[in-house]
Amino acid sequence: NAGVTQTPKFRVLKTGQSMTLLCAQDMNHEYMYWYRQDPGMGLRLIHYSVGEGTTAKGEVPDGYNVSRLKKQNFLLGLESAAPSQTSVYFCASRGSASYEQYFGPGTRLTVT
Amino acid sequence: GENVEQHPSTLSVQEGDSAVIKCTYSDSASNYFPWYKQELGKRPQLIIDIRSNVGEKKDQRIAVTLNKTAKHFSLHITETQPEDSAVYFCAASIQSFQKLVFGTGTRLLVSP
Repeated sequence: NAGVTQTPKFRVLKTGQSMTLLCAQDMNHEYMYWYRQDPGMGLRLIHYSVGEGTTAKGEVPDGYNVSRLKKQNFLLGLESAAPSQTSVYFCASRGSASYEQYFGPGTRLTVT
Repeated sequence: GENVEQHPSTLSVQEGDSAVIKCTYSDSASNYFPWYKQELGKRPQLIIDIRSNVGEKKDQRIAVTLNKTAKHFSLHITETQPEDSAVYFCAASIQSFQKLVFGTGTRLLVSP
């Protein structure tokens, strides 16, 4: 099992550009999450999904959109990137029988 | 919404000493409290968790205690080793375990 994977690992964007981050899990997990991690601020929830076809807002959803068209994939989109979105993005997933969230390796995004 | 505060932000100990990290939460409905360890450049990983119907849980050198009345919980690491050096995050769950709210993290440095 690969667990949770994220694509890409690194990306540099210019202000106003768009991009999509892909999260994939092969554990048949129902729940998937997108977090951003900034120095001194811990992990903040952007959006999450409780199952295929569902999405919900987290603490810091502005400027991001998500889609969960397939159970194994959770996409995070930035339509018009801003320097404030420079961060490390982590995806996580969780099965319905356990509370443990399994994290992906992260994507380091820089917006100039 | 739920707010989780974590202290201290940094903690330096000598190898063999004990380390204690404390978190407080605001929502009395929270009922699941995990601790994650994140090594430099790596993904967060669950090290121990506790449910609100339990006051203490141990796993070898680590333990977590929960005081529901005071709404705080703590991570205890005994006989610290250099490989315990990492950032530790506490979290509290809301909405029937669907979401986690994380503390801002504690950087633990264990010196040989």
